[in-house]
Amino acid sequence: EAGVAQSPRYKIIEKRQSVAFWCNPISGHATLYWYQQILGQGPKLLIQFQNNGVVDDSQLPKDRFSAERLKGVDSTLKIQPAKLEDSAVYLCASSLVARDRRRGDSPLHFGNGTRLTVT
Amino acid sequence: KQEVTQIPAALSVPEGENLVLNCSFTDSAIYNLQWFRQDPGKGLTSLLLIQSSQREQTSGRLNASLDKSSGRSTLYIAASQPGDSATYLCAARERAQKLVFGQGTRLTINP
Repeated sequence: EAGVAQSPRYKIIEKRQSVAFWCNPISGHATLYWYQQILGQGPKLLIQFQNNGVVDDSQLPKDRFSAERLKGVDSTLKIQPAKLEDSAVYLCASSLVARDRRRGDSPLHFGNGTRLTVT
Repeated sequence: KQEVTQIPAALSVPEGENLVLNCSFTDSAIYNLQWFRQDPGKGLTSLLLIQSSQREQTSGRLNASLDKSSGRSTLYIAASQPGDSATYLCAARERAQKLVFGQGTRLTINP
């Protein structure tokens, strides 16, 4: 099966500019996640969608970050305006929704990420 | 608030050795514990997922254990190879499928 696709792979912008990232999850995966990974740290969840609804955006800096998932498939993450501290790798992941709790959850599948440098 | 910690931050061992990576979490009310591998410039690859009702999972030379009562998980790598060099991350899954990651252990296997 095709994996999670992300674009672009790299982006360099100046502070106060805006930027957008795109993610196409694995076909049939209802749950989509955006993570921010700062160098040397583990990924931090920014927002989680199930289909086209938001499940968790508690750690999304909503004054500058926004995300949408139209039609419950592709997703875009936008930063406007960018700050120096936004320099990081932005990872998209998707997973199936476990319909039977006895079978447990399915693992997350990650894309290769977009490396953002803000100068 | 769930916190996940991985110690050490970096580990270097000779090829062929068996090794253990450690992961600890503060809230034992987790649904599962997942181990990932991350190569430089790449996304994360899922290695093993241990459900909360399980004690361990095995895949090839990898074995992961889970002790919820003590808030610990370990990843055991047998007969290490240079290709095992990568950063290994553990993540605890909470309510609503939220995954909380540790900061990772950067592993180097020396030929």
